[in-house]
Amino acid sequence: DGGITQSPKYLFRKEGQNVTLSCEQNLNHDAMYWYRQDPGQGLRLIYYSQIVNDFQKGDIAEGYSVSREKKESFPLTVTSAQKNPTAFYLCASSILDRVNTGELFFGEGSRLTVL
Amino acid sequence: QQPVQSPQAVILREGEDAVINCSSSKALYSVHWYRQKHGEAPVFLMILLKGGEQKGHEKISASFNEKKQQSSLYLTASQLSYSGTYFCGTETTSGTYKYIFGTGTRLKVLA
Repeated sequence: DGGITQSPKYLFRKEGQNVTLSCEQNLNHDAMYWYRQDPGQGLRLIYYSQIVNDFQKGDIAEGYSVSREKKESFPLTVTSAQKNPTAFYLCASSILDRVNTGELFFGEGSRLTVL
Repeated sequence: QQPVQSPQAVILREGEDAVINCSSSKALYSVHWYRQKHGEAPVFLMILLKGGEQKGHEKISASFNEKKQQSSLYLTASQLSYSGTYFCGTETTSGTYKYIFGTGTRLKVLA
């Protein structure tokens, strides 16, 4: 079955440590996204990418980094510079074709807790 | 800046109707609507494009007012399964595929 796989589902980190969240898709989608969701709040865009080896900052990119070396993979690193990293992180992908749907397909999410 | 959704929360009885609004401070090219159940990933409901038609399926439909920079989601004869948080996802510039989500509306349907 095609879909988006995020790992790990739960992650605990000590302050000052970097952590990388994995996102893999086998939908052959060109675009991939990372969103952050805090309790009771909406989704805020961290980074997005439309093509391999290229990505753009979203609204809250500070303290985060990404890479897009392969079409199917878009890992997110939460660095020690991120002041409040405890959150639910969602990865998504989509085709670059609004005529069909352009909908975002989301992974199951990764919940990061900083101790 | 995130689009603002209203109301923030709404409680309905089964069979009642609801309208959720999404207002942007910027001109919109496209609007998506998603529903998220607690602890799950958001699920796509529909997309509306600038200059496009009002969309709908089953008892859920949506409209897109380009001049007012807003979209509305209409839930008719609500069912228990409609409970969740609804988000609009907006694209302000054609071709960027940069989707900014609204603040969310929590909807609870009671039996």
